[in-house]
Amino acid sequence: AQSVTQLDSHVSVSEGTPVLLRCNYSSSYSPSLFWYVQHPNKGLQLLLKYTSAATLVKGINGFEAEFKKSETSFHLTKPSAHMSDAAEYFCVVSDEASYDKVIFGPGTSLSVIP
Amino acid sequence: NAGVTQTPKFQVLKTGQSMTLQCAQDMNHNSMYWYRQDPGMGLRLIYYSASEGTTDKGEVPNGYNVSRLNKREFSLRLESAAPSQTSVYFCASSEYAGTYEQYFGPGTRLTVT
Repeated sequence: AQSVTQLDSHVSVSEGTPVLLRCNYSSSYSPSLFWYVQHPNKGLQLLLKYTSAATLVKGINGFEAEFKKSETSFHLTKPSAHMSDAAEYFCVVSDEASYDKVIFGPGTSLSVIP
Repeated sequence: NAGVTQTPKFQVLKTGQSMTLQCAQDMNHNSMYWYRQDPGMGLRLIYYSASEGTTDKGEVPNGYNVSRLNKREFSLRLESAAPSQTSVYFCASSEYAGTYEQYFGPGTRLTVT
């Protein structure tokens, strides 16, 4: 069965410093992995997506994530945080063998301190 | 292009009342989904519709029913609301089910007293 663990429920960084949001997954087959962002009182928006092409995936707003099969990880990074990055971030796994199941992690709340 | 729209944005119900949440998408997507979001629990799938004419239960279907009215519209009905159904509800759509990006609506904040 597939599952997603987001290792930190809350991360706080200073503006201009790097961001690291951690995600580990469990999947029996070749997974598709996503990061979504949710700003306060808004719906979710796709940041980036991995689907077995390049292991380093670039997304919107300067975010990127690296797929590491040996570590079953898909951590999200950004070199320099901006105030507008403060939001909730969700790591998501979808298993090709169960095409109709998409599993959301519990979310990581990112705070950016001026 | 409105994307995914949901109505209403906010709703307060008394226990036992019924209501229908409406969702529509204008992207010609085949698959549509209803989720609920509760603090610390991420999003949990209530029902989904992989294609027009089909609906299936997700992780937490009890107390809900759905209708895929046509390719554009997917409604969620609470027949007899309970306080445990207080949540934020999101509708989403994707070109096909599973590994395709989902597009989300703005959500409906429901309180059941």
